[in-house]
Amino acid sequence: EPEVTQTPSHQVTQMGQEVILRCVPISNHLYFYWYRQILGQKVEFLVSFYNNEISEKSEIFDDQFSVERPDGSNFTLKIRSTKLEDSAMYFCASSDKSSGSNEQFFGPGTRLTVL
Amino acid sequence: DQQVKQNSPSLSVQEGRISILNCDYTNSMFDYFLWYKKYPAEGPTFLISISSIKDKNEDGRFTVFLNKSAKHLSLHIVPSQPGDSAVYFCAARIQGAQKLVFGQGTRLTINP
Repeated sequence: EPEVTQTPSHQVTQMGQEVILRCVPISNHLYFYWYRQILGQKVEFLVSFYNNEISEKSEIFDDQFSVERPDGSNFTLKIRSTKLEDSAMYFCASSDKSSGSNEQFFGPGTRLTVL
Repeated sequence: DQQVKQNSPSLSVQEGRISILNCDYTNSMFDYFLWYKKYPAEGPTFLISISSIKDKNEDGRFTVFLNKSAKHLSLHIVPSQPGDSAVYFCAARIQGAQKLVFGQGTRLTINP
């Protein structure tokens, strides 16, 4: 069964450093998403991406964040200058809008720890 | 942001019995609702969904009920199995948007 994959599973970085989180969505999906879950809190939407551009973003997704689809398979989230409060699980998801139901399929997540 | 609420942080059910997980929402613009299951160290796994034009959707042991007038939905699992022990998230989508708004989750424990 096709699945969303994410690398790395765990990333530790120093405050102020740049990190890139990587995702490979399900191959025939057209919509891509990033969510995050801070420990003990809800899963929160960050951004959605379609047709090589951001289609929707939350207030969390400020200028420190960017997304890119550098090739036909990868989808990345970059945090330019990490802060302590960026420590969270980051989940990538993808969906096939043509299914009409917008079920989003999630990857296993990357745990980001900012020291 | 309390648009989607799961008021029970945990639920314990005996194996073989019915598990009922509840979810309330406040935004009338939600048009699609989904339930996800999450095991530790894994991402949320899609379980079942329902459109706002329906009041019930069934898939095997899982049934979701939607009461629009009460802004309430529930997930029924019957019979409950030990492998159902996980955190269950209710999520909703606003009409015309793509983002999902999640509840806080309910930890379901199935006891043998």
